[in-house]
Amino acid sequence: DAGITQSPRHKVTETGTPVTLRCHQTENHRYMYWYRQDPGHGLRLIHYSYGVKDTDKGEVSDGYSVSRSKTEDFLLTLESATSSQTSVYFCAISESNSYGYTFGSGTRLTVV
Amino acid sequence: GIQVEQSPPDLILQEGANSTLRCNFSDSVNNLQWFHQNPWGQLINLFYIPSGTKQNGRLSATTVATERYSLLYISSSQTTDSGVYFCAVEPGSARQLTFGSGTQLTVLP
Repeated sequence: DAGITQSPRHKVTETGTPVTLRCHQTENHRYMYWYRQDPGHGLRLIHYSYGVKDTDKGEVSDGYSVSRSKTEDFLLTLESATSSQTSVYFCAISESNSYGYTFGSGTRLTVV
Repeated sequence: GIQVEQSPPDLILQEGANSTLRCNFSDSVNNLQWFHQNPWGQLINLFYIPSGTKQNGRLSATTVATERYSLLYISSSQTTDSGVYFCAVEPGSARQLTFGSGTQLTVLP
């Protein structure tokens, strides 16, 4: 979507390796989120940020860490990837008193 | 946490037919959105509708916050309407969206 980009779009990695996904926004929105989407589970929140260096856990945070050193960037790190982390990852942004959440195009991650 | 239930889980229509998708939620909400996930996986924001009624072309949505449900209407459906429709809510207590499990819509030519 305009104003929010995710990179990479696709990645294949080996079990046990570290992986970092990047979300970049140009909207200057305060809130940023990482979700994962899996068959049968819909979209579930991993972590979110409510400002620079302010982050909190979501529903499925185990095995993931995040960082936000600048308003525009929100990084999701898998310290040691496992096959259960094979999924599609979506980033989202929102602002207080705005018109809702906007999602990025997703990153398809495969852990082999 | 808040529960979000969507119905029906699957819907198959002939092109030109109308349909109604329903979203029930278990607590008061600050935000409710309807998304369409197209066959390429993109999540398209259809409506931001915490209350009231909105229309956009062939699509319209109504949220009755006091009764904790929302409806998405699709009229004169087209094959390009196929995909998964998600309802997502932001409860009053937290600034995060919780998604329903979606309605898989297939529109046949």
